[in-house]
Amino acid sequence: GIQVEQSPPDLILQEGANSTLRCNFSDSVNNLQWFHQNPWGQLINLFYIPSGTKQNGRLSATTVATERYSLLYISSSQTTDSGVYFCAVVGNDYKLSFGAGTTVTVRA
Amino acid sequence: DTGVSQDPRHKITKRGQNVTFRCDPISEHNRLYWYRQTLGQGPEFLTYFQNEAQLEKSRLLSDRFSAERPKGSFSTLEIQRTEQGDSAMYLCASSLGTGGEQYFGPGTRLTVT
Repeated sequence: GIQVEQSPPDLILQEGANSTLRCNFSDSVNNLQWFHQNPWGQLINLFYIPSGTKQNGRLSATTVATERYSLLYISSSQTTDSGVYFCAVVGNDYKLSFGAGTTVTVRA
Repeated sequence: DTGVSQDPRHKITKRGQNVTFRCDPISEHNRLYWYRQTLGQGPEFLTYFQNEAQLEKSRLLSDRFSAERPKGSFSTLEIQRTEQGDSAMYLCASSLGTGGEQYFGPGTRLTVT
C-alpha cells in the first residue's frame, strides 16, 4: 500500500502564530483528505484535495500530486485548533491510508 | 441528514465475550468502510462494502471478526471471543462512488478487560 509520512510529529504554537504541516506519500493518489481529530476521537473533514489549492477560513491546503506531497496551513492559530491532524490518501484502491498524524498544541 | 452514526459510543467487555457494533452511513452513500485506531496511531483499514457486498477484508481482520451490511444500508461489526489486543477505537466511514470523500462517524471505543 501507499506509505504516508507526516511532519512534524508534534507542534507547539503560541496563539496567533502560523504553521505548516506536511504530508508526503509514496505513490500517485486518487484522493487526499486532511482531517482534524477532536479530543473525543471524531475525525472532522477539513479538505478533500487530490490536487490544487483550497481555502476554508484560517485553514488552507495545497497538494502537488506530481511531487507527492500536500501541505496544510493554519493561520492565526487559536486554542480550538489543538488536536491531531491526519493526512490520508487513496491510491488505486478505495481505502484511506493514514499517516501517523501531527499533534498540534496551541497555547493561550 | 445528520452524518454517519455509530452505536454504542463506548463498550467495556471482559475477555472472551462477544461484542457487536453498528454503523449507519449517510443515507445516499453506497460505500461503507470500517477502520480501527489504536492509541497514538492513525486509523487502519479493516473492511469495505459496496452496497451489500463485502469486497475486501484486511489481514488485520482475523477469523474472530465478521462484518455485514445486509440491505446495503447499516452495517454491523462483530468480534467474537474478544482479546485485550482488540481494545481500540472502531471507526466507520461512508462515501459516494469511487474515490469519493469519506465521512467518519464518532467511533466506538472498545475496552477489553
